[in-house]
Amino acid sequence: DIQLTQSPSFLSASVGDRVTITCRASQGINSYLAWYQQKPGKAPELLIFGASTLQSGVPSRFSGSGSGTEFTLTISSLQPEDFAAYYCQQLDTYPFTFGPGTKVDVK
Amino acid sequence: EVQLLESGGGLVHPGGSLRLSCAASGFIFSNYAMSWVRQAPGKGLEWVSAISGSGGSTYYADSVKGRLTISRDNSKRTVYLQMHSLRADDTAVYYCAKHPSITVTPAYLDYWGQGTLVTVTS
Repeated sequence: DIQLTQSPSFLSASVGDRVTITCRASQGINSYLAWYQQKPGKAPELLIFGASTLQSGVPSRFSGSGSGTEFTLTISSLQPEDFAAYYCQQLDTYPFTFGPGTKVDVK
Repeated sequence: EVQLLESGGGLVHPGGSLRLSCAASGFIFSNYAMSWVRQAPGKGLEWVSAISGSGGSTYYADSVKGRLTISRDNSKRTVYLQMHSLRADDTAVYYCAKHPSITVTPAYLDYWGQGTLVTVTS
């Protein structure tokens, strides 16, 4: 199975900060990666698929990049509603594993 | 508007069974694959199972293979997760989620339900 790691696991930031989260795959997955946001007590929401394609309705301050084994999710200017957990998911090979998550909280 | 509504969760003893349902609306159900994803309390997301739009192809995580069965009834716009031989580590919120196509790949999930809690305890 393909394993995903995320760094950091926790991130403290302030409104307006630029935030970058990294997801690494145990083997190459081309651009078959998605990112999700999950707020406490809520279902996850799709942010990005295909490593860099923004899901409809997602603010443009979110962006994704990378291919192969290393990917990044960037929030260009953190907003109050962005404090949440973020998960990557590999879409290349069944089983479609998720990363362990990164929690972004208030500094 | 796409809506996914899970039901069927609850308290069950180890070794017991449960069937989860996910009723869909707002899209042509048979045209889209569906998945179940779970989240243990305070933990991350774990993909559990997926089924193609026709129901002809199914996929399972190793942790549930042989114990959980995914199925769908396109006439009822509902996907199911039949759970047998439940263990304490199956305790989680179970989400159903929609794929963007009739096949399981691409495997990203563009709409999610609100989840149903399954608690396995003696």
